[in-house]
Parts: sequence; structure tokens; C-alpha cells
Amino acid sequence: EAGVTQSPTHLIKTRGQQATLRCSPISGHTSVYWYQQALGLGLQFLLWYDEGEERNRGNFPPRFSGRQFPNYSSELNVNALELEDSALYLCASSPAGLAGPGTDTQYFGPGTRLTVL
Amino acid sequence: AQKVTQAQTEISVVEKEDVTLDCVYETRDTTYYLFWYKQPPSGELVFLIRRNSFDEQNEISGRYSWNFQKSTSSFNFTITASQVVDSAVYFCALRNGGSQGNLIFGKGTKLSVKP
Repeated sequence: EAGVTQSPTHLIKTRGQQATLRCSPISGHTSVYWYQQALGLGLQFLLWYDEGEERNRGNFPPRFSGRQFPNYSSELNVNALELEDSALYLCASSPAGLAGPGTDTQYFGPGTRLTVL
Repeated sequence: AQKVTQAQTEISVVEKEDVTLDCVYETRDTTYYLFWYKQPPSGELVFLIRRNSFDEQNEISGRYSWNFQKSTSSFNFTITASQVVDSAVYFCALRNGGSQGNLIFGKGTKLSVKP
């Protein structure tokens, strides 16, 4: 069974530009989560999508946004890039879970390393 | 407040030594879930184990074992007879029982196993 995939592997942008990161969940998983792993800040939750809707959002500005498509894949968009947005962006997916959406184990992809110059 | 503390930033051991990674959590929820993930240099987070708050049984999987103690809010991870391939950053994470979906991670412990 294929795992979570993310593209691109690396992305280099300049300050003020926009970045688009993509994620394909494990087949059968309906939820997709995005996390940021910046140096010195650890892993921080960004966004959670389930069945095409945004279900929860971390403490990030509105220029971080995304969406989930009907095939459950997801995009993360970061507008007006700032130097501190340089980080590894990890996507995870989970099945619906017996206790409802967002309650099952999250499985992670390899990440997209975004560098903002 | 929900919080996960991994007090050990870095640990270095020699191959075949046993090593324990500490994890202390804080939550007001009575239902919650605890996780350990491994992050090798490639960057991908690899799921190791999930524990529910209502299940305090310890678990052993090969050289790995986990000790969950609600009384001390700890969920420690022991690697027996460590190997060089165990070198990675290990993260402990908490998810509360509600449907917020997000994992709360500790800062991670970098384990280096030397031959």
C-alpha cells in the first residue's frame, strides 16, 4: 500500500512570492493534516481537512491556506512568503476512525522543504 | 493547557546499550491518545505506537517497549540493545479526545547510536 506522498520535495522561493505544496493521502484516508517543522520551533499543527472541509486550524496567519479535493488530496498555499516560513512542511493522513473524523492515527509523508530567500 | 515535554534534547549511546526516552504530558481531558514517532534523517515521521488513556498496559514490540503511567503523566520509550539504525529524532505526541484532530508534539529527542 502506497504511503502519503508529497510534492515537490524541495521548493525555493523568494520573499513575497506564493508557494503551493501538494499532498496525496493513503488510499481510503479521508483526513489530511498539515504541520510545519521550522528550526527551533518544533512541529506545529497548521490545518486539518476532512471530506473537503477545513475542520481545524492552528495558530498561523491567514496567508496560510489550503483545500482538499474530491479525491482527498490536498494543497497548502502560502502567500506573501516571509523568511521565517522556511521549514519542512509535513502532510499526514488518517482514516475516518471509529470515533469519528480526526480520531485515528496519523501517517506522515516525507515532507516538502521550503526555502525562502 | 495541553503540553508534551521531552526533557532530553540529545542522547548518545554505544551500540547494544539500552536507552530510555522520556515523555511527560499535560492535559485536562480524561480521554486522550499518546503517540511516538521516529524521524530519521530523511525527514519522514514514522509511526511507532499509539496508546489510549484508558489502556495503561505496557507494550513490547521486538526491541522496543513503552511504559505508560497515568499517575505520573508519563509515556516513556525504551530501546533495548540499541543499533546504529535506531539513530533518529524521536517525538512523543498527544491528541485529546475531542475532534480537533491535531497532534501536540514534544520538541523531540535526538538519539545517536555509535558503533
